[in-house]
Amino acid sequence: DSGVTQTPKHLITATGQRVTLRCSPRSGDLSVYWYQQSLDQGLQFLIQYYNGEERAKGNILERFSAQQFPDLHSELNLSSLELGDSALYFCASSEAISGNTIYFGEGSWLTVV
Amino acid sequence: SQQGEEDPQALSIQEGENATMNCSYKTSINNLQWYRQNSGRGLVHLILIRSNEREKHSGRLRVTLDTSKKSSSLLITASRAADTASYFCATDGGNYGQNFVFGPGTRLSVLP
Repeated sequence: DSGVTQTPKHLITATGQRVTLRCSPRSGDLSVYWYQQSLDQGLQFLIQYYNGEERAKGNILERFSAQQFPDLHSELNLSSLELGDSALYFCASSEAISGNTIYFGEGSWLTVV
Repeated sequence: SQQGEEDPQALSIQEGENATMNCSYKTSINNLQWYRQNSGRGLVHLILIRSNEREKHSGRLRVTLDTSKKSSSLLITASRAADTASYFCATDGGNYGQNFVFGPGTRLSVLP
């Protein structure tokens, strides 16, 4: 158990809908990362937050947004969902902005039908 | 674009053999980390090697880092069926947008 908690574990939704994925980082970790893993794209870095502030941005679509709250949990919002958004979404956390091990949650499986 | 690129994409060996995977990256880094992922599960951290280190060991794992060639290798000795997984390297450049970018991974199959 990495200590990173993600909910929900599985989600099935229709195209055009909006979903929110939630992540609780390890106790004491200030940095949260979101990744998308699909068969054809591999593990794609989406976005990083550190202590509530956006720190780095990767291949995150405009339809997707994220935030980190004062209690350090984070949410990834996916809107206007398309079939191609079906993937495993991971949250990870680390103590600092860089230089430390990052710990992954078990992921949220999103299926868009 | 991906910072780390693992090679080979897939590797199949017999139990007891050694497995070597390589990772190449493009820009300067502060450290490089290797992770394992069992199918459909989260990534598990294996080892972190800092840019001023050349080699690091952890149990049956040996990682080397050559910053002049911008490459790293992961050696798993005396492999077991339980080592079957995908292995990823991730680089930490310490700069905006360059942290923890993963390569496509190496799929290792250890046959009993």
